[in-house]
Amino acid sequence: NAGVTQTPKFRVLKTGQSMTLLCAQDMNHEYMYWYRQDPGMGLRLIHYSVGEGTTAKGEVPDGYNVSRLKKQNFLLGLESAAPSQTSVYFCASSYNLGTEAFFGQGTRLTVV
Amino acid sequence: AQSVTQLGSHVSVSEGALVLLRCNYSSSVPPYLFWYVQYPNQGLQLLLKYTSAATLVKGINGFEAEFKKSETSFHLTKPSAHMSDAAEYFCAVSDQNSGYSTLTFGKGTMLLVSP
Repeated sequence: NAGVTQTPKFRVLKTGQSMTLLCAQDMNHEYMYWYRQDPGMGLRLIHYSVGEGTTAKGEVPDGYNVSRLKKQNFLLGLESAAPSQTSVYFCASSYNLGTEAFFGQGTRLTVV
Repeated sequence: AQSVTQLGSHVSVSEGALVLLRCNYSSSVPPYLFWYVQYPNQGLQLLLKYTSAATLVKGINGFEAEFKKSETSFHLTKPSAHMSDAAEYFCAVSDQNSGYSTLTFGKGTMLLVSP
């Protein structure tokens, strides 16, 4: 049972480039989330989804887009990367709001 | 609006000593509360959770936390620290308003364990 899988694990982008981070979960969870983790800031919610075909903004959504075309996948896109988006990105999923969230291993993104 | 405050970005203890990591929350209604642990270069792993049942919650690896409504606290403790406990710990809250909300995390506390 893989749980939550994120790809890629590492990536270096130049300013202005675009990329997509992929998250896949095999627990049949309705809810999926994208967080970013920065030193001293904890985890901050970027976007989340309450089911296939639905997305919602979190605390820090600017500069990111998401899509949930399939229940098991949640994609995070950066259309024009900026150095301020250098961070570690975590995907998570849960059965419901207020229940335990299961996290992926993270994607370390550096924008130069 | 819900929020979480973790007192102390770093806590240092000796092996065998008591571990106490502090978490205070702000919530308009009784929340659900969580403690997660993150080892270097890994994702977050659930240690324990409070979901309005027993106020003293036992988790994995010998950790426990007590929900105190009067103090709006959910401090994490372990009687005797082990070297393997060195990691970053996050407290999180899910507020119940019209249904539960997404998790809001504290800024984290790095636990350092010395021999």
